[in-house]
Amino acid sequence: EVQLVESGGGLVQPGGSLRLSCAASGFTFGLYDMHWIRQATGKGLEWVSAIGTAGDTFYPGSVKGRFTISRENAKNSLYLQMNSLRAGDTAVYFCARGRGNWFDPWGQGTLVTVSS
Amino acid sequence: EIVLTQSPATLSLSPGERATLSCRASQSVSSSLAWYQQKPGQAPRLLIYDASNRATGIPARFSGSGSGTDFTLTISSLEPEDFAVYYCQQRSNWPPTWTFGQGTKVEIK
Repeated sequence: EVQLVESGGGLVQPGGSLRLSCAASGFTFGLYDMHWIRQATGKGLEWVSAIGTAGDTFYPGSVKGRFTISRENAKNSLYLQMNSLRAGDTAVYFCARGRGNWFDPWGQGTLVTVSS
Repeated sequence: EIVLTQSPATLSLSPGERATLSCRASQSVSSSLAWYQQKPGQAPRLLIYDASNRATGIPARFSGSGSGTDFTLTISSLEPEDFAVYYCQQRSNWPPTWTFGQGTKVEIK
């Protein structure tokens, strides 16, 4: 069974940093693009970052220069280093496997709260 | 940047009724569009990809159609478990970016 489990969320002060992890199982991790997607409480979905099988990375303007996605294929793990966090970054962060242009499946998410 | 606009924001229907959800793209995305279902407290689940292909395990009452800028998700006969929020999503080729519509909530009337 394909499974994605996020961890590392929590409360952080504005300007602080946090590193999220996503543990993958049930598939050959290194053969898939991977993504982070976030959702503020009661709001819609926002794609946050992508990493290809060759390590190429992509970000939207809202997080570019502050967030860094990385992967460690030997550990079947995906990471998101988040720096210079703002209140607007408060959300549940999901990791998801890329399937062509789509996301399938998704993890259950980890909550990041940016507040003083 | 391609913007996806979903309508209506909320759809109030009874079990057994037909649901028709719309997603409009600000420019053509060909058939490159997906639909997701999200229930409260859960992660989204892929329902439809490439506009009209059902993902693995998705019941036949879910169907997708459209191409270019106008897309539709149809639930032929609502089951109690179908009341949820539905999102459309597309990918732009360069630079690679992935965007979602704002969602349509299907609620029990």
